[in-house]
Amino acid sequence: DAGVIQSPRHEVTEMGQEVTLRCKPISGHNSLFWYRQTMMRGLELLIYFNNNVPIDDSGMPEDRFSAKMPNASFSTLKIQPSEPRDSAVYFCASSFISGVGEKLFFGSGTQLSVL
Amino acid sequence: RKEVEQDPGPFNVPEGATVAFNCTYSNSASQSFFWYRQDCRKEPKLLMSVYSSGNEDGRFTAQLNRASQYISLLIRDSKLSDSATYLCVAEAGNMLTFGGGTRLMVKP
Repeated sequence: DAGVIQSPRHEVTEMGQEVTLRCKPISGHNSLFWYRQTMMRGLELLIYFNNNVPIDDSGMPEDRFSAKMPNASFSTLKIQPSEPRDSAVYFCASSFISGVGEKLFFGSGTQLSVL
Repeated sequence: RKEVEQDPGPFNVPEGATVAFNCTYSNSASQSFFWYRQDCRKEPKLLMSVYSSGNEDGRFTAQLNRASQYISLLIRDSKLSDSATYLCVAEAGNMLTFGGGTRLMVKP
């Protein structure tokens, strides 16, 4: 299996621009997570999908952030408009939720820099 | 207060040393626990699960103390390649909460 695939690996953009991050989860996994990691705040859960349905989006910072999962093999995280404080590494992760003890598999992350 | 707390370190130890990290969690509903390892500029990867009875995987031993709500990771005979950030994770209701990580630097 190729693992969780994220694109792009790096994104540099200017404040105010729209940014779209993409993720392909591991085939057969039914849960997908978007995390953001910064030095100051560590790894934070932004949103969690189960069977393509958003379950918990309480971690999404504000209305500028939106996430979709149109099918089991693809998800996007969009920031519009982007701001310098959005600069971080964004990880997508997937797992097969079988109850207690599931483990996450992370993608390589997208390093976002908003200038 | 963070839900999962770790000493950020760094822990600087010589090769061959034994080092231990602790992690505390505040959500008493947490049912499962894990240690993840994250190398610089890489994604976190599962190191080991933590079982109530404690478990060992080679040089690594994980223990859970539910009464005190803490988890520990012991690394024996540390190697240069153990240098990384170790993330403590608590799971409740299919939601995983990560600690901020403890940075370990093993030196020759």
